Amino acid sequence: NAGVTQTPKFRILKIGQSMTLQCTQDMNHNYMYWYRQDPGMGLKLIYYSVGAGITDKGEVPNGYNVSRSTTEDFPLRLELAAPSQTSVYFCASSYQGSTDTQYFGPGTRLTVL
Amino acid sequence: DAKTTQPTSMDCAEGRAANLPCNHSTISGNEYVYWYRQIHSQGPQYIIHGLKNNETNEMASLIITEDRKSSTLILPHATLRDTAVYYCIVRVKAAGNKLTFGGGTRVLVKP
Repeated sequence: NAGVTQTPKFRILKIGQSMTLQCTQDMNHNYMYWYRQDPGMGLKLIYYSVGAGITDKGEVPNGYNVSRSTTEDFPLRLELAAPSQTSVYFCASSYQGSTDTQYFGPGTRLTVL
Repeated sequence: DAKTTQPTSMDCAEGRAANLPCNHSTISGNEYVYWYRQIHSQGPQYIIHGLKNNETNEMASLIITEDRKSSTLILPHATLRDTAVYYCIVRVKAAGNKLTFGGGTRVLVKP
């Protein structure tokens, strides 16, 4: 299993541009999450999904959108990029079962100039 | 989720045990203690979790005090690859429940 994969690894955006961060997991996990991590800080939850077709807001959802059309994929969309969205973005997934360990992807480093 | 307090940083000698403390005095009866770590520029990695009994796996041991107000993560034989930020998280065990990462403890393993 590849686990959780994210693309791209790095991206530079100009203010006002849009982009989609891709996240795919091959573990058949029901739950998927998007976190952001600002320099020197802990992770903050942006959005999460409990299954295909179901998404919900986390702590810091403003400026982002998500969709979950399949179990495997959970893309994160930035519509109008702002410098405040400069961060490292991590996708994670977990299984709906007796264990809820979250498995993280390698992250996408985004800079908005 | 209960708040946790961890030291900001600590050093450890390679080959020695690393003992990482965590205070969680407001923990509720149904909340577990989880430990994750984040090696530089990588995604967080699960280490171990427990409710009230001590736990051990291939990576570490978790010692929880009897009153559950504090715990210690033990890396038995620290290696240079264990250099990372270690996060103690207290939360209800439920799939879909978010992880709330605080500042963590920055552990530097020295040769």
